Amino acid sequence: GQNIDQPTEMTATEGAIVQINCTYQTSGFNGLFWYQQHAGEAPTFLSYNVLDGLEEKGRFSSFLSRSKGYSYLLLKELQMKDSASYLCALNTGFQKLVFGTGTRLLVSP
Amino acid sequence: DAGVIQSPRHEVTEMGQEVTLRCKPISGHNSLFWYRQTMMRGLELLIYFNNNVPIDDSGMPEDRFSAKMPNASFSTLKIQPSEPRDSAVYFCASTAGGTGGQETQYFGPGTRLLVL
Repeated sequence: GQNIDQPTEMTATEGAIVQINCTYQTSGFNGLFWYQQHAGEAPTFLSYNVLDGLEEKGRFSSFLSRSKGYSYLLLKELQMKDSASYLCALNTGFQKLVFGTGTRLLVSP
Repeated sequence: DAGVIQSPRHEVTEMGQEVTLRCKPISGHNSLFWYRQTMMRGLELLIYFNNNVPIDDSGMPEDRFSAKMPNASFSTLKIQPSEPRDSAVYFCASTAGGTGGQETQYFGPGTRLLVL
């Protein structure tokens, strides 16, 4: 089976940088997804890491270390609209995703 | 382009009633997923189909739940009989990929189910 841990909630200030961590235990996986979910809405894709290292996409970056069982999502120049839940998910093969319970990020002025 | 379409968006029913949730995947996508999301358990995969064939239904909680995909553009998730613990948001998602799993899953807006 898989076990995925994320902090339940984080707070940050507009314009700041925040790092959302995801640790996992699994026997094997193909890659790791990050999704964003605003309250009352559907999850939307942010990033996908297959190899170790940093993937940068605008204000958002995602990092994966398979040897450490660890990933993080880095959000720069925070905006109020970034207030949302952030879900990491393991791609365990054959399109099957196992999601963490998500981190709710609150961005204040 | 239309995204994944789900209906109804909200459903309130009484315990013991049958509930049917519907999903239309993005045109051209060949894989479809049903998820359930609750505060306690997060987002859980219930079942997924590839080319209209159920591939993995290990997440279906019990025999009260069933899902069908009669064609490439339509799927249903049925709960019979419904119970209060089934109250959750049910999402449908689709993807264009094969079995590699690297393809992004696109989620519908969800159906908010409340069983009284």
